[in-house]
Amino acid sequence: AQKVTQAQTEISVVEKEDVTLDCVYETRDTTYYLFWYKQPPSGELVFLIRRNSFDEQNEISGRYSWNFQKSTSSFNFTITASQVVDSAVYFCALSRSGGYQKVTFGTGTKLQVIP
Amino acid sequence: DAGVTQSPTHLIKTRGQQVTLRCSPKSGHDTVSWYQQALGQGPQFIFQYYEEEERQRGNFPDRFSGHQFPNYSSELNVNALLLGDSALYLCASRSGPPLDEQFFGPGTRLTVL
Repeated sequence: AQKVTQAQTEISVVEKEDVTLDCVYETRDTTYYLFWYKQPPSGELVFLIRRNSFDEQNEISGRYSWNFQKSTSSFNFTITASQVVDSAVYFCALSRSGGYQKVTFGTGTKLQVIP
Repeated sequence: DAGVTQSPTHLIKTRGQQVTLRCSPKSGHDTVSWYQQALGQGPQFIFQYYEEEERQRGNFPDRFSGHQFPNYSSELNVNALLLGDSALYLCASRSGPPLDEQFFGPGTRLTVL
């Protein structure tokens, strides 16, 4: 069985602060994908990143960065210099790799960036 | 190129009624999955369709059924609606390898009274 845990239910930061969203996962699969999605108040899930389990390189995209540590089964997401537009619910997710696999989501972390 | 589209946007039904939700996948995608997202929760996998057949199913009762058409669009049907079926229903379309990308639609907000 697969499981994703996002222990932080809600986080509030002041604009321009850095913030890290934690994600811990459980799987028995040797190869898998990890994802982060953003869900603004409008409701649509916006894809942010997909990481293959064999690629442990950290990734940076603008103000976003992701730290994948297989040894601790974590895939944390950091937003640098947060902005009000970053306010949303963020979901970490997991799926088996290969073929057409379902995605298992965490319960989400609601981020509020205060101006 | 349109992304994943869903209709209707919002829907209000009463207990015991039946509902049909529709999804058109992104161009080039042949697989459609449906998810239920209750308020304050993460999306839960309902089922997945590929080549007009249900390929995988999550832990949902038989009241939830679906269909995929030759043009890859899909329908989600829910019979004998319960108050607990109130949720945002998300459709996701996925392409095969090598891209293996998945995108979600805007969702249909179902309210059961």
